Amino acid sequence: DVKVTQSSRYLVKRTGEKVFLECVQDMDHENMFWYRQDPGLGLRLIYFSYDVKMKEKGDIPEGYSVSREKKERFSLILESASTNQTSMYLCASSPNSGIKETQYFGPGTRLLVL
Amino acid sequence: AQKITQTQPGMFVQEKEAVTLDCTYDTSDQSYGLFWYKQPSSGEMIFLIYQGSYDEQNATEGRYSLNFQKARKSANLVISASQLGDSAMYFCARDTGRRALTFGSGTRLQVQP
Repeated sequence: DVKVTQSSRYLVKRTGEKVFLECVQDMDHENMFWYRQDPGLGLRLIYFSYDVKMKEKGDIPEGYSVSREKKERFSLILESASTNQTSMYLCASSPNSGIKETQYFGPGTRLLVL
Repeated sequence: AQKITQTQPGMFVQEKEAVTLDCTYDTSDQSYGLFWYKQPSSGEMIFLIYQGSYDEQNATEGRYSLNFQKARKSANLVISASQLGDSAMYFCARDTGRRALTFGSGTRLQVQP
């Protein structure tokens, strides 16, 4: 089974802190994604990566950056956390084997910024 | 941005009955894929079913089926014989052509005994 893990299920940080959210997948997938989920808005794409050291902006990249130094690991960085970044963050991965391949999600990280 | 619309924020259904969750989408593409995911209260996203725009038949997976009406740009999820464990958030999504997915706002389904 595909497994996507995220470093924390719950995280509490203070405004202005630098925050790292880590995601690891064990299925050698080329593509990895970071979404944030807010009530009434569904999931929105922050960044994604289709190869090591490659990244593309999603729909809401402002205030975030990402790093992909190894194929299995995709990190989301909040350079200076703000209260409007309180949210649920979901990581996902998918292979390059065509349109039918679904994305596999991690359990999510609930981030609270005080 | 190509939008996914789920007009039902919440739905109730009696156990063992069928329920339809609505989804409409914008697109100017000829080839695209549509997905449904389930999110229980634990938070993980579970893939349920996929429909390709060129698939001639509606997709089915066990108790899940997708009522795909291409001309109307709708891809409604039908859950037959609802179970208490079906209580969850349900999200409709389509591929964006950039390998990512665009999601609707979700429908919270509650199955009542």
